[in-house]
Amino acid sequence: GQSLEQPSEVTAVEGAIVQINCTYQTSGFYGLSWYQQHDGGAPTFLSYNALDGLEETGRFSSFLSRSDSYGYLLLQELQMKDSASYFCAVQYNFNKFYFGSGTKLNVKP
Amino acid sequence: DTGVSQNPRHKITKRGQNVTFRCDPISEHNRLYWYRQTLGQGPEFLTYFQNEAQLEKSRLLSDRFSAERPKGSFSTLEIQRTEQGDSAMYLCASSLAGGENTGELFFGEGSRLTVL
Repeated sequence: GQSLEQPSEVTAVEGAIVQINCTYQTSGFYGLSWYQQHDGGAPTFLSYNALDGLEETGRFSSFLSRSDSYGYLLLQELQMKDSASYFCAVQYNFNKFYFGSGTKLNVKP
Repeated sequence: DTGVSQNPRHKITKRGQNVTFRCDPISEHNRLYWYRQTLGQGPEFLTYFQNEAQLEKSRLLSDRFSAERPKGSFSTLEIQRTEQGDSAMYLCASSLAGGENTGELFFGEGSRLTVL
């Protein structure tokens, strides 16, 4: 089966940098995705890593280490609108996606 | 076509009734997924289609749940004899098979089910 671990909640102040970690166990691993979900909204895609290393998309970056079965999402210059839940999801056996329980990010002024 | 569309957005029903949700994916997407999400949890896989073929159904899914995608376009998810434990947000997502693998699923806004 698949398992994912990520912190349940993180709090940071506006303008700061926050890192959300994700460790996974799965067979048939293809890649690790990150999604943002505001309360009452749909999950929206942020970033994807299939290979080791860092992917940067504006204020968001995502990192993957396949050998360590570990990844993280880095959010820089935090804004109040970044308050949301963040999910890591493993892509496995190419067609399938398994989501973690999510990390609730609270951004304070 | 601006994204994945789901209807109805909200459904309140009494225990024992049947409900059906519809999902219209992004038009060129041939993969369609159904997930269920409860408060404070991540999306839980239910089933997925490639074109009209249902390729996998979660082993956790009761026989009361059935999904179809008759023409490889829209999909329906039916829950028979609803139970209070079925109360959740039902999310549909689509993606394009055969293109560049970006690891991205496009989600709809979901259909929230409340079983009284």
